[in-house]
Amino acid sequence: QQQVRQSPQSLTVWEGETAILNCSYEDSTFNYFPWYQQFPGEGPALLISIRSVSDKKEDGRFTIFFNKREKKLSLHITDSQPGDSATYFCAAGTQVVGQLTFGRGTRLQVYA
Amino acid sequence: SVLLYQKPNRDICQSGTSLKIQCVADSQVVSMFWYQQFQEQSLMLMATANEGSEATYESGFTKDKFPISRPNLTFSTLTVNNARPGDSSIYFCSSGTGLSYEQYFGPGTRLTVL
Repeated sequence: QQQVRQSPQSLTVWEGETAILNCSYEDSTFNYFPWYQQFPGEGPALLISIRSVSDKKEDGRFTIFFNKREKKLSLHITDSQPGDSATYFCAAGTQVVGQLTFGRGTRLQVYA
Repeated sequence: SVLLYQKPNRDICQSGTSLKIQCVADSQVVSMFWYQQFQEQSLMLMATANEGSEATYESGFTKDKFPISRPNLTFSTLTVNNARPGDSSIYFCSSGTGLSYEQYFGPGTRLTVL
């Protein structure tokens, strides 16, 4: 059973549009949700994260919206750029520097 | 943050051989994690390694197949024993400062088993 689910599997947007990546989870003990950005041939890079005590986290063009009751969160990338084209992973954890459970990723393509 | 370095960045080996992957952190870290990623797929946690104790393995991964050492607070090695083509994937180490939840990943080691 997949603990962390992501949708869509792939997403295409035009430059300047807002990309919305979705994530949901099963385990209510998860309290930390990082998003990682991965380019081909590279390791996952921490992009932005949120704790379950918050419902929104913003960092520049990247915003996480978190709904604890529905066990859902989403990553919004505003003013998408071709350089944002990558695979985005939603993950979940329960403790400081603890094990993370990853979703299967959303491959984002931004066309100029 | 924590910077993690891995060596080698890629390797090709024959079936039945063993190889070692090293992970070095730029500062002392309590826990190090090893993840496996098949091409274009998710990251799967293999094991957790704390200094001075045996690594804890997740379901589907064993000490005999993937022995992990953690001799000090900045270093860990993952060995792949009796490598098979099904082990061909990318292996990542990860860790964090322990001062926050944030966790960082190394650049990965791409393994191809022929």
